[in-house]
Amino acid sequence: QVQLVQSGSELKKPGASVKVSCKASGYTFTSYAMNWVRQAPGQGLEWMGWINTNTGNPTYAQGFTGRFVFSLDTSVSTAYLQISSLKAEDTAVYYCAAGTDFDYWGQGTLVTVSS
Amino acid sequence: QSALTQPRSVSGSPGQSVTISCTGTSSDVGGYNHVSWYQQHPGKAPKLMIYDVSKRPSGVPDRFSGSKSGNTASLTISGLQAEDEADYYCCSYAGSYTFFGGGTKLTVL
Repeated sequence: QVQLVQSGSELKKPGASVKVSCKASGYTFTSYAMNWVRQAPGQGLEWMGWINTNTGNPTYAQGFTGRFVFSLDTSVSTAYLQISSLKAEDTAVYYCAAGTDFDYWGQGTLVTVSS
Repeated sequence: QSALTQPRSVSGSPGQSVTISCTGTSSDVGGYNHVSWYQQHPGKAPKLMIYDVSKRPSGVPDRFSGSKSGNTASLTISGLQAEDEADYYCCSYAGSYTFFGGGTKLTVL
């Protein structure tokens, strides 16, 4: 069965960087695009963008350019989200979701940014 | 581009039907038959319930149905059950981008 397993919670100070991983199993990694979705505490879902798992080409949503980077390591079927120059407002649960229709979701990774 | 517009909350009694609306524009909901719906229970990841406006993934009960008219998509849940109480989000493709609705909290009375 398809599974997306994300890395554990992170506590970071403002200005630091964080890298969240999303390891896929149960399917051919390059068969599905990988999306990233943010959910701030008590808020709704926000699409951050997606990465083409065949070409590695990323597309970033408005508001997620510059400090946010999507990457892949297809040898281990893993997608990554790196956020640099962290701010308090980056505190959120970050989800990876595979498929054009967000068919499969990771369990989410809580990133807390606090001094 | 703003998020798609959903009612903040809806409610219904067990066995009843409820409909959640999702209003966008001709650039997203109205322009593509690529609207999906997600159910999210507290502390859990979202789950795909409807895709391509009205298609159900395997395993989703047929009590859940989707439709679209113009720039507004709808999710209807019939025969409400206690476990349907959750947040529901619509999502629409919009060319190179994708947008979520603000979410609707469904309360089963």
